[in-house]
Amino acid sequence: DIQMTQSPSSLSASVGDRVTITCQASRDISNYLNWYQQKPGKAPKLLIFDASNLGTGVPSRFSGSGSGTDFTFSISSLQPEDIARYYCQGYDHVPPEITFGPGTKVDI
Amino acid sequence: QVQLEESGPGLVKPSQTLSLTCTVAGGSISSGKYYWNWIRQSPGKGLEWIGYIYYSGSTYYNPSLKSRVSISMDASKNQFSLNLNSVAAADTAVYYCARGVPGIAAGSVGGLDYWGQGTLVTVSS
Repeated sequence: DIQMTQSPSSLSASVGDRVTITCQASRDISNYLNWYQQKPGKAPKLLIFDASNLGTGVPSRFSGSGSGTDFTFSISSLQPEDIARYYCQGYDHVPPEITFGPGTKVDI
Repeated sequence: QVQLEESGPGLVKPSQTLSLTCTVAGGSISSGKYYWNWIRQSPGKGLEWIGYIYYSGSTYYNPSLKSRVSISMDASKNQFSLNLNSVAAADTAVYYCARGVPGIAAGSVGGLDYWGQGTLVTVSS
């Protein structure tokens, strides 16, 4: 099984700040890593897929990087509408599995 | 635009079977190489992937739930369904259905790009 960890568990930043979240997988998952944004009462939204690819319609201030076991998600200039919880999600194919990290709460 | 909507009872008694249906609009679940997933979210365990049914009808389940889960599809209604038997209070959660795109590696589920709004299921007598 893949285990995913995230840090920090929560953060508070100012509008315009750069925000960075890290995610670590328990084993090498290449670039099989996605990032989601979830606002209260809503379903998660796919922001970044395959570690560094921006999802459809996602603003360019969001970005992702990394491979293997260590991954990073960034917001280049935090906006009020970015207040949410962010999850990383690793996946693999033998066997097929999907595992989410515990999430990072971002506040202003 | 693909839309998914979960439906089913909001309250299930312990030891009974939880049954939910996801209705898909804007695309056929039996065409296009997509994976149709169930995910749940509870305060205690965060987001937990339950399993998927592939457009071809093959299924795969989270090993931690495998003994209690089945996912099926009804292509004529463009729906797929979740059954989780022998439920307990720990199965109380918001249940989501979501479409998965093929991942980089063959046979893998990549990003979950469309989600339903979620439905809360409470297990209680």
